[in-house]
Formats: sequence, structure tokens, C-alpha cells
Amino acid sequence: QVHLVQSGAEVKKPGASVKVSCQASRYTFTNYYFHWVRQAPGQGLEWMGIINPNGGSTRYSPRFQGRVTMTRDTSTNMIYMELSSLSFEDTALYYCASSSNYGDLADLEIWGQGTVVTV
Amino acid sequence: QSVLTQPPSVSGAPGQRVTISCTGSSSNIGAGYDVHWYQHLPGTAPKLLIYGISNRPSGVPDRFSGSKSGAAASLAITGLQPEDEADYYCQSYDRSLTDTVFGAGTKVTVL
Repeated sequence: QVHLVQSGAEVKKPGASVKVSCQASRYTFTNYYFHWVRQAPGQGLEWMGIINPNGGSTRYSPRFQGRVTMTRDTSTNMIYMELSSLSFEDTALYYCASSSNYGDLADLEIWGQGTVVTV
Repeated sequence: QSVLTQPPSVSGAPGQRVTISCTGSSSNIGAGYDVHWYQHLPGTAPKLLIYGISNRPSGVPDRFSGSKSGAAASLAITGLQPEDEADYYCQSYDRSLTDTVFGAGTKVTVL
């Protein structure tokens, strides 16, 4: 079974950056792709991008292009999402999710518990 | 404002059938892109309910079914149960936006 464990809540000032982590098992890390999705208070879901842990290639939503960076650490099976130039509108619950298919429209099979980011 | 339009809410009595629409356009669902559906209970992570328009992941009851016609997709819940009370989101891709998009979500209430 795939399990994704995310880092704890963050509080940031406007203009700052935040880096959220997502821990996967070794099997998961080498066989799945990872996405980040966020949900602002009272709002719907927003897809932010995808990272292929094998090689580190990424694709980002145009809405976040230039502000988001997704990376991975193959030694610790960790996935990271860094969002810069934070504004109040970035206050949201950020989810890490995995898919066995690669692509912007891959179905998101397993989700982490979410990380609250407050700006 | 999402390019995928969902009704804000639907309701039904236990045992009834409800459907949730996800209406798009020729830039997304009508262009042939897949549609996925998620169930989101407050305080929990979203759960994949339907993928590729009409496929159920292992463990999802067959009370849930998905379909598509033209530029619209639908999620049907038959034999509505109290634990089905949640928010439901559709997801697709929009080639004009070159972006994955979600509907705004539909709250299902079991009366």
C-alpha cells in the first residue's frame, strides 16, 4: 500500500517562500509519480504540477509557473514543493498525491494527509 | 471560476439515486480528455472514486459509476448511504489553458 506522509503546518509572511515535504516508501518512490494539489479555504482543488522522481523532470501548472519548484531526494525518498513570493491568496491546504501514470491528467490514486500553509 | 461546471449541491434520501454533472466544453471534456472523480470528506484527504470517465479503483463500491456524453461527464451514486455525504470533484484537462482543471465541487447531502 502506498503511504505519503507530509511535513507539518507552516506560517509565513507575505513575500516569503515555503517548502513542504512528502515522504514516500522506497517502492512508492521508484514506481509512482508525484503531484501537488492545493485547496484554499472554502475553495476547490487546484493542480500545481507533477514530478517524476526518476530523473526529476517536472511539469507545472501555468498558474504557478515561475513560483513553484518541485524537487526530490532519492537518498531519502522525499518529494519537495517550494512556493515563492507568497501572498495571502496562497493560504491553503497543500496535498502531495501519487499516480502510477505520468501526465498532467493522471488520476491521483493516493494522497498525503495535507499540510496547512498560512500566509 | 472553473471551466468545469458542477452544481453546488445535490441531495437525496438514503437508498435514492443522485447524479452530479460536470459540464465542460470543446476545450476539455468535449475534446476527448479523460475525466476523474474524487470524493472529499471534511478533514480527510480526497479519495479517487472514478478514473478514465467510468473506471472504479479497487475497493470503490459499484454504487458509484461514471459516464460521459459530449462535453459533459456525470457521476451517479445509487443506493445513497449516509457515509456518501461529502464533496465531489471532477477533474479533466483544458487544452486552451494547457492546464489540469477541477470542477468547483458538489456537496452531496443525505437527507
